[in-house]
Amino acid sequence: EVQLVESGGGLVKPGGSLKLSCAASGFTFSTYNMNWVRQAPGKGLEWVSSISSSSSYIYYADSVKGRFTISRDNAKNSLYLQMNSLRAEDTAVYYCASPGSYYTYWGQGTLVTVSS
Amino acid sequence: EIVMTQSPATLSVSPGERATLSCRASQSLSSNLAWYQQKPGQAPRLLIYGASTRATGIPARFSGSGSGTEFTLTISSLQSEDFAVYYCQQYNNWPPWTFGQGTKVEIK
Repeated sequence: EVQLVESGGGLVKPGGSLKLSCAASGFTFSTYNMNWVRQAPGKGLEWVSSISSSSSYIYYADSVKGRFTISRDNAKNSLYLQMNSLRAEDTAVYYCASPGSYYTYWGQGTLVTVSS
Repeated sequence: EIVMTQSPATLSVSPGERATLSCRASQSLSSNLAWYQQKPGQAPRLLIYGASTRATGIPARFSGSGSGTEFTLTISSLQSEDFAVYYCQQYNNWPPWTFGQGTKVEIK
């Protein structure tokens, strides 16, 4: 059974940093592109970032470019999102999702709240 | 960036009735469109990909149609568990991968 489990969310002040993790199991992680998708409270879904299976290709939404960094460790079956210079508008549930361009598998999400 | 527009924002339907949800793209997508269902407090669930292919385990009452810029999700006979928010998502021109704003299907 495919499982994606996010962690690392919490309350952070504006301008602060946070690193999210996503632990994957039940599939060959190293062969799948991985993604982060977020959802602000009461709002719709927003794609945040994607990374190819070998980390050769990385993409970011304009709203996070230059502040967020996606990475992965295939030996640990883990996906990461380093979030710096956080803003109030980054407050959301962050989901890891796979594979590829449409998302068959989703984690349960981790809530990031940016507030003073 | 491709803009996805869903209509209506809210759809009120009685159980057992048919629901028809629309999704329009600002550019042609061919058939590179997916539909998701999301219930409160849960992650989205993939329903349809390739505009019309049901994902594994999705009941036959869910069907997708369309190509180019106009797409439709039809729920043939609404069950109580189908009341939720539905999103379309394009994966033809990326990045970014973009979602519609969602259609809430509520009980009439």
